[in-house]
Amino acid sequence: AQRVTQPEKLLSVFKGAPVELKCNYSYSGSPELFWYVQYSRQRLQLLLRHISRESIKGFTADLNKGETSFHLKKPFAQEEDSAMYYCALTKAAGNKLTFGGGTRVLVKP
Amino acid sequence: DGGITQSPKYLFRKEGQNVTLSCEQNLNHDAMYWYRQDPGQGLRLIYYSQIVNDFQKGDIAEGYSVSREKKESFPLTVTSAQKNPTAFYLCASTQTTGTSGVNEQFFGPGTRLTVL
Repeated sequence: AQRVTQPEKLLSVFKGAPVELKCNYSYSGSPELFWYVQYSRQRLQLLLRHISRESIKGFTADLNKGETSFHLKKPFAQEEDSAMYYCALTKAAGNKLTFGGGTRVLVKP
Repeated sequence: DGGITQSPKYLFRKEGQNVTLSCEQNLNHDAMYWYRQDPGQGLRLIYYSQIVNDFQKGDIAEGYSVSREKKESFPLTVTSAQKNPTAFYLCASTQTTGTSGVNEQFFGPGTRLTVL
């Protein structure tokens, strides 16, 4: 069975500091990994996916198959990054998502 | 904003009553999903439908039922058999046909159900 673990429920950082959200997964096949974000009073939306290898809003995430991790990083956090972040997994070519428990990020001024 | 709408935004139910949550999308997406969001547990899949007139159970289907009579609509009924129905319910959709790989899921604004 596939499983996604986000060990931190809350991350509090100061503006301009680096932030890293951890995501570990268990899946026997070739997964596709995503980060979704929910800003206050907004809908859950896709932030980035590992196959795109892109940086969105300064965030990057690298899939490490050896460590089965997909940590999300940003070198300089901004106040507008305060939100709930969810790591999600699906099997390649599948569409059912398995979500982690979520990490709330609070960026203080 | 738009694409996927959910109604109502807030719903109150007495114990023992069934209640139906609405989800409509105008994105012409084939697949639709229902998730339940609880604090600290993330989103858990209740039911999903890849095509009209077909749907499958997700990870926590007990006490819920769905229908998919139209491509744009995927209502969820929370039955009295659901032991702990108070939660935030999210509907999502994605395009599947005519594409390769995994596509982004688009989410509705959610319905908060409270059982009194």
